[in-house]
Amino acid sequence: DGGITQSPKYLFRKEGQNVTLSCEQNLNHDAMYWYRQDPGQGLRLIYYSQIVNDFQKGDIAEGYSVSREKKESFPLTVTSAQKNPTAFYLCASMKARGTEAFFGQGTRLTVV
Amino acid sequence: GESVGLHLPTLSVQEGDNSIINCAYSNSASDYFIWYKQESGKGPQFIIDIRSNMDKRQGQRVTVLLNKTVKHLSLQIAATQPGDSAVYFCAENQAGTALIFGKGTTLSVSS
Repeated sequence: DGGITQSPKYLFRKEGQNVTLSCEQNLNHDAMYWYRQDPGQGLRLIYYSQIVNDFQKGDIAEGYSVSREKKESFPLTVTSAQKNPTAFYLCASMKARGTEAFFGQGTRLTVV
Repeated sequence: GESVGLHLPTLSVQEGDNSIINCAYSNSASDYFIWYKQESGKGPQFIIDIRSNMDKRQGQRVTVLLNKTVKHLSLQIAATQPGDSAVYFCAENQAGTALIFGKGTTLSVSS
């Protein structure tokens, strides 16, 4: 089945460590997005990519990095520079502007 | 910066009632809007969308209304059911394909 897959579902890391969240889609979508969601809050845009080898910062990019080497994959690295990394992270893809975005099931990152 | 917001953080209704969830947006250049439903611990699911050249769009039990004059979007759910309980987000598609979300309204349906 076509879809967008995030892994792992739950992730625990020690403070000061970098961690990479996986996002893979087989929908042949050009655009991919990363959002952060805190309890009781909306989705805030971290990074997005419209095509391979290109990406733009969103509203809260500080402390995060991404790559887009393949159309299917858009991994997000949460670096030690991110001061409050514990959150629910959501990845999405969109075929083109003005079309529905499909979401993965999210990764809950807890930093201890 | 400009962003999409919602009028009420929570809405409680009785089963069978109609629900109306509101959203205000500030970017007049946005031309595509989507409503999403998010259940606890899951990713958002698409409900319905509307383009700026339309005022109204209907789906199954849901209707989205767009008022460009006052930059207002609403989602109407007919005959609300307990399974409709979730957080509802509106989102706008701004230039450059970035999809921007509001803070969400939590809908609680009691039977």
